[in-house]
Amino acid sequence: DAKTTQPPSMDCAEGRAANLPCNHSTISGNEYVYWYRQIHSQGPQYIIHGLKNNETNEMASLIITEDRKSSTLILPHATLRDTAVYYCIVRVGNSNYQLIWGAGTKLIIKP
Amino acid sequence: DAGVTQSPTHLIKTRGQHVTLRCSPISGHKSVSWYQQVLGQGPQFIFQYYEKEERGRGNFPDRFSARQFPNYSSELNVNALLLGDSALYLCASSLAGLRGTDTQYFGPGTRLTVL
Repeated sequence: DAKTTQPPSMDCAEGRAANLPCNHSTISGNEYVYWYRQIHSQGPQYIIHGLKNNETNEMASLIITEDRKSSTLILPHATLRDTAVYYCIVRVGNSNYQLIWGAGTKLIIKP
Repeated sequence: DAGVTQSPTHLIKTRGQHVTLRCSPISGHKSVSWYQQVLGQGPQFIFQYYEKEERGRGNFPDRFSARQFPNYSSELNVNALLLGDSALYLCASSLAGLRGTDTQYFGPGTRLTVL
């Protein structure tokens, strides 16, 4: 079973920041939080990942709470091309490091 | 650099047939993982291979098998196809897959339809 909980859908106006929440209350100390997105049945696209500290790259920022039980993905200036399903994943630290996916959040960017 | 490539893009088979899906990882990546994504759901882990060895297997029947070649490319085989095998099959590659921070990069997928 997925170790994360996300809202099924969200809307955001074009040009505004999109903030996507994720709960992972059972996360273990050595497990990373990963974010991917999938645009209409294409292969998932890696966005960002983190362990404890906040992270930023050219695509997004990842804010992880101090207790690590939740995180927020921030797309600073959403465009129509950011419309996609966003997956928050806790990477299980077992021998094969498989990704266990939930249902994700359908983010719709509106003009 | 080329990303992960998969072939074919689309495939239509009938029940009971066999199918082989192919994946070429990013240059320098030694680990390949396979996922099945049924419409409306997140991907489900099938296999992970590293250096031609199976390192992990998800909850899939023995009809599903895979292998990795010396050039790190991989094949996923599904025997005795069922209607429920209709899905998008995704291949992901990573450097070694040995650490929690080893990022998996996905290919475009193969859309399999079983009639």
